[in-house]
Order: sequence, then C-alpha cells, then structure tokens
Amino acid sequence: QVQLVESGGGLVKPGGSLRLSCAASGFTFSDYYMSWIRQAPGTGPEWISYISSSGTYTDYADSVKGRFTISRDNAKNSLFLQMTSLRVEDTAFYYCARDRSSSPIYDLWGQGSLVTVSS
Amino acid sequence: DIQMTQSPSSLSASVGDRVTITCQTSQDISNYLNWYQQKPGKAPKLLIYDASNLETGVPSRFSGSGSGTDFTFTISSLQPEDVATYFCQEYDNLPTFGQGTKLEIK
Repeated sequence: QVQLVESGGGLVKPGGSLRLSCAASGFTFSDYYMSWIRQAPGTGPEWISYISSSGTYTDYADSVKGRFTISRDNAKNSLFLQMTSLRVEDTAFYYCARDRSSSPIYDLWGQGSLVTVSS
Repeated sequence: DIQMTQSPSSLSASVGDRVTITCQTSQDISNYLNWYQQKPGKAPKLLIYDASNLETGVPSRFSGSGSGTDFTFTISSLQPEDVATYFCQEYDNLPTFGQGTKLEIK
C-alpha cells in the first residue's frame, strides 16, 4: 500500500527540540523529492522544507530556517525533520508529502503529526 | 513573495449546484497552480495540478482553469461528499497555499 506515516509529535516547551519521522512504503522512496508541510488549526497549509531524492539539495521557509533540519535515509525509506528552538507559533499538524517529478505538486500526504509548543 | 488571494472564504450551495472558487496571485505564475481538497481531520488531497490537469482517480465534476494571475476551480454538480475545505497552491517560487474555501451544503 502506497503510504506515508508520520511519528514523533507531542508536547514540548518553548525552546525545546523534537524530531519527526516519516515512514514511506509502497513506492520507490529514493526516486522522489520529499517535503514537510505544516498546518496550524484553522489556517492554510504552510510549506516549510524540501529535500531532493538523493538528499543533496534542501531548502527551508524563512520561518524555520536555522532552526529546523530536513534529512532522509533512503535505505530505510524514511524522512526526518529535526526541530530545535521551538516557538509557540510552531504549534501545528506536520505532514510529510511526496513531490511529483521534483516539482512541488504534493500527490501523497501522511496523516499528520501534531506538535504542540506550550509552557 | 507571491501573495495569493483565494475567494470566497466560505460557501454554501445546494446539491447539484455549480460551484466556483477563485485564486488570484500577485504576479504571473504561468500555470504553476494546484488545487487540494481537505476533509475534517484528514490531510489535503490533490485534485488538480498545473492549473487544469485532473489528478488520476478524481471525479470529472472537478475542473480547473486559468493561467498567469487568475485561476478558477469548479465543481460542475455539487455532491454531498464534496463538503470540505479547498486550497489553491502556487509553486512558481517557494510553494505557497491559499487560505482556503470552506464548502458546505445548503
């Protein structure tokens, strides 16, 4: 079954760190660019990062640049997001998503993982 | 940064109605625009890519049009299962999503 499954979300205090994981199955993970997209309740989604199929290229939204790091392990069909210096405004559902043909056309999404930053 | 204006923010229509949602960008993005459907508690689902291409498996009552700065998403005959929030997303530069249109049945 073609799917993405996120894990690692939870409650963290401001300034804390968290690592999200995304397990891919049912397709050749190493062929695809991957992205992380977040969505705060009641708002539109916000793209935050992408990584190329080999892991060579990455980019970040200004809102997370310098605090978040995207990585992947193609041998384990896994995508990661290391989040540090977390802020209250980082509270959101975090989705991993598959890019189509290295373009930001998100044709497969995970179910989402909730990150809550609160004291 | 490209600004996106999606309208309306909410919409109520009857089963069988034709429904139209628009998305306007602050600069020319060619056809680099996608449309997604999101049902409550679920992840977004791709419906239309590159402004007018129907994603595989998506019913033909959904369609998209436009290029440049003005784009339209249409449901030709609204069905009860279409209740959801719809988002546009541009990718001429860094990907940006619209704020969404919440569609309800009258």
